[in-house]
Amino acid sequence: QKEVEQNSGPLSVPEGAIASLNCTYSDRGSQSFFWYRQYSGKSPELIMFIYSNGDKEDGRFTAQLNKASQYVSLLIRDSQPSDSATYLCAVTHNTNAGKSTFGDGTTLTVKP
Amino acid sequence: NAGVMQNPRHLVRRRGQEARLRCSPMKGHSHVYWYRQLPEEGLKFMVYLQKENIIDESGMPKERFSAEFPKEGPSILRIQQVVRGDSAAYFCASSRDESEKLFFGSGTQLSVL
Repeated sequence: QKEVEQNSGPLSVPEGAIASLNCTYSDRGSQSFFWYRQYSGKSPELIMFIYSNGDKEDGRFTAQLNKASQYVSLLIRDSQPSDSATYLCAVTHNTNAGKSTFGDGTTLTVKP
Repeated sequence: NAGVMQNPRHLVRRRGQEARLRCSPMKGHSHVYWYRQLPEEGLKFMVYLQKENIIDESGMPKERFSAEFPKEGPSILRIQQVVRGDSAAYFCASSRDESEKLFFGSGTQLSVL
């Protein structure tokens, strides 16, 4: 079992829809959770981080964390074609983002 | 303010040669991390350095791989006697502090022939 698991996709949604990306993790001691967006051939870019159970919203993005279920998700509202990318979930045991364990990513395609 | 600079962007080596990958962190950042990414996979942590110190190298292969971050100059990831399995994208990231946001460089794509 991988430490951080994501559905590889591809996940395809129509423009304007809500895209839901899911991630589960195995280490119950994990404290910090990150979502990165990576366009093909480019470097990852942090788009959301969450430390506490519940929801955290930033513009069209909402991160949801449920530590009891060891589950973190990313919702993208009003999806745009420019959101088409691979989304990486990353988990760390402390607050050091650099030591994160990454999932293999979910590829999202938003169709016009 | 320039971002994290990595060079070269692409590096081709024959089996048995050495590969040197360079990373200059963002201005004001003293924490550097190296990752490897194989096709269709996520990033795998390799090593965490601060100036002149290796803080955590738990993700580094025991042989052929080394990293440094000297007092002056960029961080270097060195791979000796490369093999085809070393072919991957190598990303560097930096942060101002341990708990601060990471900024990634554009990566070095290493191809071993």
